[in-house]
Amino acid sequence: DTGVSQDPRHKITKRGQNVTFRCDPISEHNRLYWYRQTLGQGPEFLTYFQNEAQLEKSRLLSDRFSAERPKGSFSTLEIQRTEQGDSAMYLCASSLSQVAPSNEQFFGPGTRLTVL
Amino acid sequence: AQKVTQAQTEISVVEKEDVTLDCVYETRDTTYYLFWYKQPPSGELVFLIRRNSFDEQNEISGRYSWNFQKSTSSFNFTITASQVVDSAVYFCALSAFGFYNQGGKLIFGQGTELSVKP
Repeated sequence: DTGVSQDPRHKITKRGQNVTFRCDPISEHNRLYWYRQTLGQGPEFLTYFQNEAQLEKSRLLSDRFSAERPKGSFSTLEIQRTEQGDSAMYLCASSLSQVAPSNEQFFGPGTRLTVL
Repeated sequence: AQKVTQAQTEISVVEKEDVTLDCVYETRDTTYYLFWYKQPPSGELVFLIRRNSFDEQNEISGRYSWNFQKSTSSFNFTITASQVVDSAVYFCALSAFGFYNQGGKLIFGQGTELSVKP
């Protein structure tokens, strides 16, 4: 399968714990996006990378959140000191950066986080 | 500001009925793209269509058709002869080309949950 993959698919953690999610984009895609989706809502943009450079971060990305894409391939999203409000589906997407707004973003299956 | 509104939260139809999902968008940019994505119960967003702001031609793909009207800032999606497999959440999204969106991030609506009953 050559689509976007995410790991883990589900994560249950206790409040205050740190969690890390991984996203593997489609291999030739140089742009990688993270979105967060809460129940009954559409996905909300968190951040994006062009190769290894993190070029934009949403105000939703508090100081407890950090994302990396060290070699321009896979990316990790870490949440420190999780709170119950962090419970959501975290979606990763990738695309080619030809003309940015037109590029179709391919989404992974998401990581569903539950904070108890 | 950029915004996408899908006023219909849930729609329920009986198989073979036609159904239209509404999408209204807001942007001050003159160049932008509109998308529809499908999210089945498995959770993975599936791309359906992309339109740019300069192309108002309607598009038909099988049982799916899209009506883009700049005058009303709408990009509506119609499923003809709906089937049970069409049951999913459908999202309309906007990506505007401007200084504040160099990366092409998508702004999604709240989604419309479509339930097609046999």
